[in-house]
Amino acid sequence: DTAVSQTPKYLVTQMGNDKSIKCEQNLGHDTMYWYKQDSKKFLKIMFSYNNKELIINETVPNRFSPKSPDKAHLNLHINSLELGDSAVYFCASSLQPGANYEQYFGPGTRLTVT
Amino acid sequence: GENVEQHPSTLSVQEGDSAVIKCTYSDSASNYFPWYKQELGKRPQLIIDIRSNVGEKKDQRIAVTLNKTAKHFSLHITETQPEDSAVYFCAASTNSGYALNFGKGTSLLVTP
Repeated sequence: DTAVSQTPKYLVTQMGNDKSIKCEQNLGHDTMYWYKQDSKKFLKIMFSYNNKELIINETVPNRFSPKSPDKAHLNLHINSLELGDSAVYFCASSLQPGANYEQYFGPGTRLTVT
Repeated sequence: GENVEQHPSTLSVQEGDSAVIKCTYSDSASNYFPWYKQELGKRPQLIIDIRSNVGEKKDQRIAVTLNKTAKHFSLHITETQPEDSAVYFCAASTNSGYALNFGKGTSLLVTP
């Protein structure tokens, strides 16, 4: 049984489209994250939510909008996709919002923008 | 934001040898330093972590050392095995305490 799941696993789309990635965790964690991993494998935090409330919003274009309908879900919607958005997006969760709690990552969503 | 520098970017060792990966950080407020392993096409997974009140921690073949004065920490893998081949990321907690800044990763290859 998967702890942190993401859908879809692969997403290929054209520039200018709008797409969403869904994330769910069944660990009972309060905090969820979105990370972007670029082609050079660099992992960068994008957003963090604690119990449905935004607590971290790094310098991310406002074309990216996270949404947390409940504390087990954190979805990522991307408007007007650009070539530079191509990356692997990882969702993660942790028990509580402090950085010193282990983060459990989802399997990733490979987004390719053509 | 805080920088976490990680070296080397690639590391190739023979099976049975030791591997050492080093990281430095800039924010003296950082107090938590995890290491993640990412196998090809897989998700990052925590392998060991250390908090600022501890100088060294060991778990079987893996150890991490922390020098808070110098702001650097290292991962040591002894008796390496081919299945240790992966990308390893160090990270440091940010001054907000809510996020991690990751290093750029070290691609470790262990050859039989």
